[in-house]
Amino acid sequence: AQTVTQSQPEMSVQEAETVTLSCTYDTSESDYYLFWYKQPPSRQMILVIRQEAYKQQNATENRFSVNFQKAAKSFSLKISDSQLGDAAMYFCAYRRGAWGGSNYKLTFGKGTLLTVNP
Amino acid sequence: NAGVMQNPRHLVRRRGQEARLRCSPMKGHSHVYWYRQLPEEGLKFMVYLQKENIIDESGMPKERFSAEFPKEGPSILRIQQVVRGDSAAYFCASSVPGWLHTPYGYTFGSGTRLTVV
Repeated sequence: AQTVTQSQPEMSVQEAETVTLSCTYDTSESDYYLFWYKQPPSRQMILVIRQEAYKQQNATENRFSVNFQKAAKSFSLKISDSQLGDAAMYFCAYRRGAWGGSNYKLTFGKGTLLTVNP
Repeated sequence: NAGVMQNPRHLVRRRGQEARLRCSPMKGHSHVYWYRQLPEEGLKFMVYLQKENIIDESGMPKERFSAEFPKEGPSILRIQQVVRGDSAAYFCASSVPGWLHTPYGYTFGSGTRLTVV
């Protein structure tokens, strides 16, 4: 079974600084997708960024980027120029690729609570 | 285009009562997924439904929990005879058919927080 591990229960960053959230995963699959979701106090699950395992290029969405190391099974999220609105719980998630069984399931890590200090 | 709508947002039940959580998928979405988030945990898959069909309920507790997605109306997650351990946030997500061959994630609702007292 796939597992997702977020080893940092809490992180903090100063406004305008950069922070990196860690995520490792375990799978025997070669085709899969990885995601970072943001959960602010409103509880809404917001997709921040996604990465397809077959793509070597790291995904980027504005101030958010990932460092995807497939061999190491690592998928970290970098937030640049942190803003107060970035404060939230961040979840790393895994999904099997298009041809994998039960590939509709997302497997989540336990989350990292990010605090942004003004 | 409204997103995935869940109600109620908060639900308080006494031990032994029934809890009914509703989920209206996005317009045009015919697949619904329920997840549970226990305190200090990530979301965990419970059940996957299509209209009038349960596709995968492998994440559902064997007793007291049931889910349906009728031809008309919202999807319902029902918990009978609730216990304190059922206190959690319950999330619904929806998708269109065929999305599994895309790299996208679901669209989630804002969840229902169930508190059992």
